[in-house]
Formats: sequence, C-alpha cells, structure tokens
Amino acid sequence: DSGVTQTPKHLITATGQRVTLRCSPRSGDLSVYWYQQSLDQGLQFLIQYYNGEERAKGNILERFSAQQFPDLHSELNLSSLELGDSALYFCASSPGEGLTDTQYFGPGTRLTVL
Amino acid sequence: DQQVKQNSPSLSVQEGRISILNCDYTNSMFDYFLWYKKYPAEGPTFLISISSIKDKNEDGRFTVFLNKSAKHLSLHIVPSQPGDSAVYFCATTSYNTDKLIFGTGTRLQVFP
Repeated sequence: DSGVTQTPKHLITATGQRVTLRCSPRSGDLSVYWYQQSLDQGLQFLIQYYNGEERAKGNILERFSAQQFPDLHSELNLSSLELGDSALYFCASSPGEGLTDTQYFGPGTRLTVL
Repeated sequence: DQQVKQNSPSLSVQEGRISILNCDYTNSMFDYFLWYKKYPAEGPTFLISISSIKDKNEDGRFTVFLNKSAKHLSLHIVPSQPGDSAVYFCATTSYNTDKLIFGTGTRLQVFP
C-alpha cells in the first residue's frame, strides 16, 4: 500500500460526458502527479501540482484539467469524453517538487468510455 | 516520436538467472533515469534510479547501468525470482525541465 488513494476504482460513462477523478496523496507529500495509461501504451505524464500550484505539464489535452486543493488532494477533470480516453488513470505523490523525486503511485482509476 | 524506447515488449527468464531489461532514449538533455515496476491491478512502484553523473547504481539484486554515449540504460536483476514477474518501465527526466517521459514497458516473466 503506497498510501496514495484514488477514487473511484472504476468508472463507466458515455462519449461527450464529463467525469472527475480524485486523488489523495500520502501524508506529508506536497506534489501530486497524474498519468494516463492506454492499452499497450506506456505511462503518459499529464500534469504535476506542487502545494496547490501547477508545476509541470506533460501531454495533457485541453479537454482535461486538474487542480490541487488546500488539503492537497487533487482532482482530474475529463470533459467531452471520447472513446480514446478509455484508459487507466494513475495519480502519484512525492514529498518535493522535482520530477526526479521518487513518486508513490495510487492503484489507479479505470475509465471506460462507451 | 518516442523519446524513450523499450524495444522488448516481453522477456522470459528462468529463476536464478540474470534478467536484463533495456531502454534507449533520444534526447541527451535527460540526465536522470528511473525504473518502475508494475504488478497487475496495482500502481507502479519505484525500483531504482541513476543520475547521469554515474554509470552504475546498485541496490540489492537490482543494478542500473547508464551508457550516456549510446543513450542507453539497462536494468539487471540477479538472481531473478518469480516475484520479479511484472511490467518494468524506464523513465527519464532532468533536474531542470518539466518533461518526464516513460517507456512503453517490458513484461518480465520469471519461471521456475
């Protein structure tokens, strides 16, 4: 158990809809990262927040947005969903702000878009 | 354009033998490299890392080698154990960048 929690575990929705994925980091960690893992693909880094501020941006689509709240939990919002957005979405956390920090991953949220 | 490539999607090794997982990168600006391990239905777990100022880093049964001139890194697991069966991802970043790139993973199977 990494100490990172993600909800929900599974999510099934339809094209065009909007969903919110939630992540609670390990106690004491200030950074939260979001990743997408599609079928047969590696992990795609989406975005990092550090202590409430956006710190680094990867391959995040404009339809996707994230935020980190004062209690340090984070939400990833996916809108205008397409079939290709079906994937595993992982959240990770780390104590510091550098991308070289060891990250602790949650168990993931599996999103299915029908 | 894949900047980090793990050309072997799978690898099968007998228990007790050495497992060698490879990773190639294209951008010499990357100076920090990590390996993560992932079991089914779980998130990835950090395994080992190496900075570009070193060419080798060892942690127990796991050793990562970095060849900067070839832009190649490898993970050696000796001796391999059945519990090592998982998908291994290499990743690369830099101390002064907002880029963090993962490879597509190599599925390692260690059989008795």
